[in-house]
Amino acid sequence: GENVEQHPSTLSVQEGDSAVIKCTYSDSASNYFPWYKQELGKGPQLIIDIRSNVGEKKDQRIAVTLNKTAKHFSLHITETQPEDSAVYFCAALKGHNTNAGKSTFGDGTTLTVKP
Amino acid sequence: DTGVSQDPRHKITKRGQNVTFRCDPISEHNRLYWYRQTLGQGPEFLTYFQNEAQLEKSRLLSDRFSAERPKGSFSTLEIQRTEQGDSAMYLCASGGTGAKEQYFGPGTRLTVT
Repeated sequence: GENVEQHPSTLSVQEGDSAVIKCTYSDSASNYFPWYKQELGKGPQLIIDIRSNVGEKKDQRIAVTLNKTAKHFSLHITETQPEDSAVYFCAALKGHNTNAGKSTFGDGTTLTVKP
Repeated sequence: DTGVSQDPRHKITKRGQNVTFRCDPISEHNRLYWYRQTLGQGPEFLTYFQNEAQLEKSRLLSDRFSAERPKGSFSTLEIQRTEQGDSAMYLCASGGTGAKEQYFGPGTRLTVT
């Protein structure tokens, strides 16, 4: 089955700096890669995603890149703010839109943004 | 769109008791997922419904676990004869027709004493 590895497990940055979180996956059939932000006591919140036919996607201060050949994808957060502090999870999923099955998650990155 | 809701939010039970959790997906979402999350880990897939059909079950889902979605709307997850190792956050997610996105609820935190 799919295996997703995520690095680093913890990341501390100064407010205003950039943060990068990297994930690798094992199953070349995976074709959808979402990123989630999870705050204490809450469920994961989808913040951005990328499909396998796209190399990069950006939404304001957040961007995701995908390298299908190397089977890795990354989350980039620019101009970090204290409210970005949370646990971030990457995930990989395979399947067609009409039968989009389970997601396999990484173990998470705890991001701390120091004011 | 009120989001995915789960009930209860917290459950403390004694070992050996049965527990049942409920998930109400986003209205008209035909896909519904259950995941389990332990401290410091990412969510682990348990099972997945498309409408009322249970399409996939993880090997994590022992015979003490059962999930239903009888009318293709809300779902229940039952754990029989709970064990201390069942202590975790149980997350529900839903997704719409023709889409891959999954939207999570707040979770039910189970503590087995």
